[in-house]
Amino acid sequence: DTEVTQTPKHLVMGMTNKKSLKCEQHMGHRAMYWYKQKAKKPPELMFVYSYEKLSINESVPSRFSPECPNSSLLNLHLHALQPEDSALYLCASSPRTAHTGELFFGEGSRLTVL
Amino acid sequence: AQSVTQLDSQVPVFEEAPVELRCNYSSSVSVYLFWYVQYPNQGLQLLLKYLSGSTLVESINGFEAEFNKSQTSFHLRKPSVHISDTAEYFCAVSEGSSNTGKLIFGQGTTLQVKP
Repeated sequence: DTEVTQTPKHLVMGMTNKKSLKCEQHMGHRAMYWYKQKAKKPPELMFVYSYEKLSINESVPSRFSPECPNSSLLNLHLHALQPEDSALYLCASSPRTAHTGELFFGEGSRLTVL
Repeated sequence: AQSVTQLDSQVPVFEEAPVELRCNYSSSVSVYLFWYVQYPNQGLQLLLKYLSGSTLVESINGFEAEFNKSQTSFHLRKPSVHISDTAEYFCAVSEGSSNTGKLIFGQGTTLQVKP
């Protein structure tokens, strides 16, 4: 069982909808990540939060808006998405503030944009 | 800039046969190296890691990888595979000195274990 919990597991939304993806971890990790993964491709980094502050934004379009309310929670707010944004969105956390790359991933939220 | 090359996109192998998944990286600085596994319809799981110390690292389910600095490789091996090892395997590297935790992934290798 993964210790990073993502909800919902599946989400279907229209291009005018507003929805959110949620991620929770209770391992005391202070770094959290959002990745996007298309089918048969490696994950692509979107955002990194370190101590609840946004430290990396990989030039992600503004229709994706991350939020880190506290050290255990990470949200990804979605608005006016495009069909090409359909993908598996993975949340991850890291036990090391030095960010070695040792990540714990959730099972992902599979997003379909109609 | 760092990059990771996984030389095989698909590796079909029969059950109980040995397997090697190849990974080469490019970096001008010290690196941390990882293998992640992704089973169908799941997230990624850390399989094993090289941070420092012994260049041969092992996982609890029989996989091992050896860091070879001169050949800039981190190949993954298992002497006898099981059907349950069927999955996508990603090699990844992060820069040792960058302090960002940014992982660079290879394109992945699909391991298909046949009965």
